[in-house]
Amino acid sequence: GAVVSQHPSWVICKSGTSVKIECRSLDFQATTMFWYRQFPKQSLMLMATSNEGSKATYEQGVEKDKFLINHASLTLSTLTVTSAHPEDSSFYICSAREQRGFNEQFFGPGTRLTVL
Amino acid sequence: DAKTTQPTSMDCAEGRAANLPCNHSTISGNEYVYWYRQIHSQGPQYIIHGLKNNETNEMASLIITEDRKSSTLILPHATLRDTAVYYCIVSLYGGYQKVTFGTGTKLQVIP
Repeated sequence: GAVVSQHPSWVICKSGTSVKIECRSLDFQATTMFWYRQFPKQSLMLMATSNEGSKATYEQGVEKDKFLINHASLTLSTLTVTSAHPEDSSFYICSAREQRGFNEQFFGPGTRLTVL
Repeated sequence: DAKTTQPTSMDCAEGRAANLPCNHSTISGNEYVYWYRQIHSQGPQYIIHGLKNNETNEMASLIITEDRKSSTLILPHATLRDTAVYYCIVSLYGGYQKVTFGTGTKLQVIP
């Protein structure tokens, strides 16, 4: 099946710094990528939908100036958490859809962010 | 997207079939049923999807009722590695369609 990678797999940073997370589709082209956040023992919460070459669409309550998303190519989307604070500590997961597919999403392995 | 309802948790003996139900009574005619699972601290994994016919692949079978208001995911011979949270999702077809995850069913496979 299609493979989606994320980098880094985990990151620890100080409060106030910015962190960039990369999401890559390794063997397919992804017109659309999604970013989710998951707190412990909770379900995945969709943060934004990212379409190649256009601005991301953010879900209600997600600050677009804090969570910067760039979908520069059909295989790469990045999420930058700006001025991170401890409450931003979470498991961030991306997913990608093939251009030609049956709508199934392929998920990355996730990035564990800890803000001290 | 239509809302789904799943039991919070289920147990299944290793080697037995695991039957995970999902209610989606407000599903519309062009919405598909998708199943994903998430093993602890990993990204979700696609399992199977269907529109109205029953489907089977190497991982599982999907049984959709004739009125499409509910479905059942069947893992024919559950193993310990199948312990995970299973999510049932309904979504329109199309690359731009977002999906919303509910709370899912925590399946515990017991030795």
